[in-house]
Amino acid sequence: QKEVEQDPGPLSVPEGAIVSLNCTYSNSAFQYFMWYRQYSRKGPELLMYTYSSGNKEDGRFTAQVDKSSKYISLFIRDSQPSDSATYLCAMSANQGGKLIFGQGTELSVKP
Amino acid sequence: SAVISQKPSRDICQRGTSLTIQCQVDSQVTMMFWYRQQPGQSLTLIATANQGSEATYESGFVIDKFPISRPNLTFSTLTVSNMSPEDSSIYLCSVEFGGPSYNEQFFGPGTRLTVL
Repeated sequence: QKEVEQDPGPLSVPEGAIVSLNCTYSNSAFQYFMWYRQYSRKGPELLMYTYSSGNKEDGRFTAQVDKSSKYISLFIRDSQPSDSATYLCAMSANQGGKLIFGQGTELSVKP
Repeated sequence: SAVISQKPSRDICQRGTSLTIQCQVDSQVTMMFWYRQQPGQSLTLIATANQGSEATYESGFVIDKFPISRPNLTFSTLTVSNMSPEDSSIYLCSVEFGGPSYNEQFFGPGTRLTVL
């Protein structure tokens, strides 16, 4: 069993839709939860990070962590074609160092 | 934040040869990381490279296959040795910067390697 599971998609939605991306994990030691966005032929860029359980909002993006269920989510409101990218969840047990990534979900937002 | 460049951006290599990938950062950093991103797979950490010490390799990765150099605080190289088609992948370096509550990792653009 992989430490982090993420549905690879692809996921295609119309512009303006609400997108929900999810990851599950098995290691209860994970404390830091990140979402990275990766455009084609580019390196991943950090979108949001959350420490422990709870919600975090940044503009159209909301990250949720439920440690009791070992489940994290990223919601994108009013999705735009520019949001088309691969979204990767990542986790770590410590403040820095090794990150464990999910497989990545490929998102396409159609105009 | 950091600006990270990698060379080459892509390469096509023959089986049995070796390729050295360079990673250059515009700031001095203590920790640099090398990841592999195989098609349809998650990013997997190969090793952590700290300046002035031997790289620390993750399970499944060995120094003979992926030797790493870290000569100073802004530069590192990863060599993929004795390549086989299974080494075809994207190789990314990343660096870590300390924030007020979290150390963020910034990634380079990656090196796309195809082994024939």
